[in-house]
Amino acid sequence: QVQLVQSGTEVKKPGASVRISCKASGYTFSDHTLFWVRQAPGQRLEWMGWIDAGYGDTKVSQKFQGRVTVDKDTSATTVYMDLSSLTSEDTAIYYCARRGYGSGHLYFDSWGQGTLVTVSS
Amino acid sequence: EIVMTQSPAILPASPGERVILSCRASQSVGSKLAWYQQKPGQAPRLLIYDASTRATSIPARFSGSGSGADFSLTITSLQSEDFAVYYCQQYNEWYTFGQGTKLDIK
Repeated sequence: QVQLVQSGTEVKKPGASVRISCKASGYTFSDHTLFWVRQAPGQRLEWMGWIDAGYGDTKVSQKFQGRVTVDKDTSATTVYMDLSSLTSEDTAIYYCARRGYGSGHLYFDSWGQGTLVTVSS
Repeated sequence: EIVMTQSPAILPASPGERVILSCRASQSVGSKLAWYQQKPGQAPRLLIYDASTRATSIPARFSGSGSGADFSLTITSLQSEDFAVYYCQQYNEWYTFGQGTKLDIK
C-alpha cells in the first residue's frame, strides 16, 4: 500500500533552517508529483511547493519563494523540503502529500503522517 | 487566489443523524473540488474528489455534490468515527483549502 513516511519532530531557533524528508513506498515513485503542505495553528492548510518525482520539475508557492527548496533522491524514493529563515510563524505541522496520477487527478490522494516544526528562541 | 469558505464552522450532531456541510468558492472551480477528513493527531484523508467521486475505501454514507462555486458534503447515518474536521479544497487554479468544519458530538 502507498506509504509516505516523514522525518521526525524538529525544534529550531529563529533564523535557522530545517530540512524535512518524506520517503515514499508502495507505488512507482516517478509516476507522481509530491507536495508539501503546512498546517499552522489556527490557519488553513496551505501548499508550499511541489516536485515532479519523475522529471524533477519543481514549483514553490509565491508566498514561500526564496525560502523553500524542494528536491528528491530518486534512488531513495525520498523527497525533501528545506525551509530557511525560520520565524515563530513557521511553527506548524508539515505534510507531504501525493497528487493523483495524471493531469486529470490533481487532488491529494495520500498524505504523510506530518512533521511538527517548532520555532522558538 | 480562490478563497474557499466553509459553513458552519462547528456542526453539533448526534450519531445516526444526516448532516450537510457546505463549501463555497470565491469563483467557479468547475468540479475540481475535494473533501478531506482530519482526525486529531492525524493527516487529512481524501474522501471525495471531482466534487462527487468517493475515494477508494470511503463508505457510501459519504457523498459530495455541487459544481461551479457551491458544493456540499453529505454524511448519512453518522457513525462515531465520523466526528472530525472536514476540509474542502479546490484544485482548479493552484490549490486552496477551506478553513474547515468541525463535526462535534451533540
